[in-house]
Amino acid sequence: DIQMTQSPASLSASLGETVSIECLASEDIYNNLAWYQQKPGKSPQLLIYYASSLQDGVPSRFSGSGSGTQYSLKINSLESEDAATYFCLQDSEYPWTFGGGTKLELK
Amino acid sequence: EVQLVESGGGLVQPGRSLKLSCAASGFTFSNYYMAWVRQAPKKGLEWVATISTSGSRTYYPDSVKGRFTISRDNAKSSLYLQMNSLKSEDTATYYCARQLGAPFAYWGQGTLVTVSS
Repeated sequence: DIQMTQSPASLSASLGETVSIECLASEDIYNNLAWYQQKPGKSPQLLIYYASSLQDGVPSRFSGSGSGTQYSLKINSLESEDAATYFCLQDSEYPWTFGGGTKLELK
Repeated sequence: EVQLVESGGGLVQPGRSLKLSCAASGFTFSNYYMAWVRQAPKKGLEWVATISTSGSRTYYPDSVKGRFTISRDNAKSSLYLQMNSLKSEDTATYYCARQLGAPFAYWGQGTLVTVSS
């Protein structure tokens, strides 16, 4: 199975700052990497798929990059609504596996 | 508007069975792979099962293989998850999700399954 190691586990940042979240796959996942945002009590929402494709309706301050085994989610100009937990998912091969999550707190 | 509405969760004793349902609307259900994803309380996400458009192919992680069965009824635009031999570690919110194309682009609101005596 492909293991997804996500870091950091938690993050505190101020409004207007830029943050990055990383996911490291245990083997090459050929850009088959998605990012999700989940707010408390809500279902996850897709932000990015195929490593860097922005899902319709997602603000352009979210961006994804990476290749091979290393991927990142960048959030520019943090807004209060960005406080949430973020997960990566590899959909390269079954079993699809998620990263452990990053809880983003706004100061 | 795409809508996925799960039902069937509840409290069940270890070793017993439960069947979840997901009613889909707002898209051509038969054109999409569908999946179940779960989240244990205060924990991360775990993919549980996927089914192909016709239902001929199914996929499971080892944690549920042999105990859970995913199925679908395209005529009713409905997805199901039959869960047998339930364990305490199966306690989670179970989400129905549309899979083909951008992975899990749409999710239901989830249904809580609690396995406890």
